[in-house]
Amino acid sequence: GQNIDQPTEMTATEGAIVQINCTYQTSGFNGLFWYQQHAGEAPTFLSYNVLDGLEEKGRFSSFLSRSKGYSYLLLKELQMKDSASYLCAPMDSNYQLIWGAGTKLIIKP
Amino acid sequence: GAVVSQHPSWVICKSGTSVKIECRSLDFQATTMFWYRQFPKQSLMLMATSNEGSKATYEQGVEKDKFLINHASLTLSTLTVTSAHPEDSSFYICSARDFAGEGGLKTDTQYFGPGTRLTVL
Repeated sequence: GQNIDQPTEMTATEGAIVQINCTYQTSGFNGLFWYQQHAGEAPTFLSYNVLDGLEEKGRFSSFLSRSKGYSYLLLKELQMKDSASYLCAPMDSNYQLIWGAGTKLIIKP
Repeated sequence: GAVVSQHPSWVICKSGTSVKIECRSLDFQATTMFWYRQFPKQSLMLMATSNEGSKATYEQGVEKDKFLINHASLTLSTLTVTSAHPEDSSFYICSARDFAGEGGLKTDTQYFGPGTRLTVL
């Protein structure tokens, strides 16, 4: 079957760094996406990894290891507005995104 | 990134009425659009995949006669909730697939609309 595993909730301090891990099992693989979703809003695209390695984009970086079925999202210099849910979504062989429940990130001053 | 709009952003209707939700890709053509539903504190659930010019593909358990999808152009898909009931109250979100790039540098990304909050009384 297809499965996504992320921590349910994480807490971090403003200005700090946090890493949100994701392990996945899918039928085929066509890349992995990270989305940010604030409460009551639709997801917004953060990153896309299809090859192994680290992709850096400003304060956010995303890493992928296809052999391990593992990805992480790294958020630096945390700001209060980063409080949101972070969704790891691999794309399967049918080019469909597989969604888990996401990780709720709480930022404290 | 690419922009997807959704209209209306919220709607309140009486039980038994039909509601149409529009999803538009504003700066790219989307041959494929997706419709999701999300209940409070739950993950996104894919309802159907909409391909331009053909019938939508519905996920198991989603009634195609109740949730009518039309994808008449490369920039517009509509979802009509027919004979809505209170249990259909939810956050409906569309996404549009942007398959772009040249040579070996193609990217395949879904961009989401802002969502439509439906409340059926």
